[in-house]
Amino acid sequence: EVQLVESGGDLVQPGGSLRLSCEASGFTFSDYWMTWVRQAPGRGLECVALIMSDGSNKYYPDSMKGRFTVSRDNAKSSLYLQIHSLRADDTAIYYCVRDVRWGMSDSWGQGTLVTVSS
Amino acid sequence: DIVMTQSPLSLSVTPGQPASISCKSSQSLLHTDGQTYLHWYLQKPGQSPQLLIFDVSKRFSGVPDRFSGSGSGTDFTLRISRVEAEDVGIYYCMQGLYFRTFGQGTKVEIK
Repeated sequence: EVQLVESGGDLVQPGGSLRLSCEASGFTFSDYWMTWVRQAPGRGLECVALIMSDGSNKYYPDSMKGRFTVSRDNAKSSLYLQIHSLRADDTAIYYCVRDVRWGMSDSWGQGTLVTVSS
Repeated sequence: DIVMTQSPLSLSVTPGQPASISCKSSQSLLHTDGQTYLHWYLQKPGQSPQLLIFDVSKRFSGVPDRFSGSGSGTDFTLRISRVEAEDVGIYYCMQGLYFRTFGQGTKVEIK
């Protein structure tokens, strides 16, 4: 069974940084592209980063470039998201998502909550 | 950026009745490989989104056949032939051709 377990969400002050983690199990992690998707309270879904299976290529929407860094450690079956200069509008649940191919995700974790507030 | 527009944004359905959700993209989602990168997800209350339909009309593993998808180019539709209580939640269309973007979501509730 595919399992994706996120951690690292916290209450952070504006301007701070945070590193989110996702531990994968139940599949060969190194075979899959992975994505981070966030959902602000009462809002829709927004993709924030995507990383190829070997970590060689990463993709971000223009609005996320510069503050978000996605990485992975295939030996540990783990995915990471580093966020810098956090703002109130970064407050959201961050989901770790498995991609079965470009543009298609089939499995989601339960999410980790990031709250940015003073 | 590709913009995805869903309608309606909310839907109240009597159990056993059909329901339909429209999704329009600002650009064609047809890839040069012949596939159309339009997928549908359902987020049930308190849960993470789950994949329902991929590539416009293919049901994901375990998805009941009362769910169907259709469309091409920029216009797509998700249909539920007979709504059941377990179908409540928010339905999202998502384009996966240029990075990925989601529609605003359509909230389905039972009358």
